[in-house]
Amino acid sequence: AQSVAQPEDQVNVAEGNPLTVKCTYSVSGNPYLFWYVQYPNRGLQFLLKYITGDNLVKGSYGFEAEFNKSQTSFHLKKPSALVSDSALYFCAVRYNAGNMLTFGGGTRLMVKP
Amino acid sequence: EAEVAQSPRYKITEKSQAVAFWCDPISGHATLYWYRQILGQGPELLVQFQDESVVDDSQLPKDRFSAERLKGVDSTLKIQPAELGDSAMYLCASSLRAGGQETQYFGPGTRLLVL
Repeated sequence: AQSVAQPEDQVNVAEGNPLTVKCTYSVSGNPYLFWYVQYPNRGLQFLLKYITGDNLVKGSYGFEAEFNKSQTSFHLKKPSALVSDSALYFCAVRYNAGNMLTFGGGTRLMVKP
Repeated sequence: EAEVAQSPRYKITEKSQAVAFWCDPISGHATLYWYRQILGQGPELLVQFQDESVVDDSQLPKDRFSAERLKGVDSTLKIQPAELGDSAMYLCASSLRAGGQETQYFGPGTRLLVL
């Protein structure tokens, strides 16, 4: 069964510092990988996705993610964190049209001034 | 920018009552999804529609939950009777088609509290 893991419940980073939110996925074919962000009492907002091609994917709000097949990871990164980036981040995986989009448990990002 | 609309945003009900949630997907999106998100967890798929047809409802508790998308546009999710454990955020999402690489766009959600 497809699955995705976010090993950190919370990540704390100072404003202006680089941030990384980790995500690993189970191996089963070629995955489609997604990152979403959720602000309090809001739905999920799409940030970026990996389909195929370049392993470094650039998305909204300056975020990027690197697909690493050997480590089965898809970590979310940003060179310089903003206080407004503080939110809940979800990684998700899907293998083909017949399978559901499976979400990780989420990582809360706290950016302190 | 087109968005997925959901109503109501918040719903408080007593157990054993019936509740209904409404979703209007982005115009032209053939695929519609209902998710349940328990506080502190990731969303879990309840049901997926392709146009007016259900293509996956394997995770839908069919004894109390029902969903429909009669004209292949907007959709309604119903719970009858509601139980305490149904308290959660109910999210609707849509995508242009059902392909694995398609991006799903989410609405703001309906937060349900069952007392």
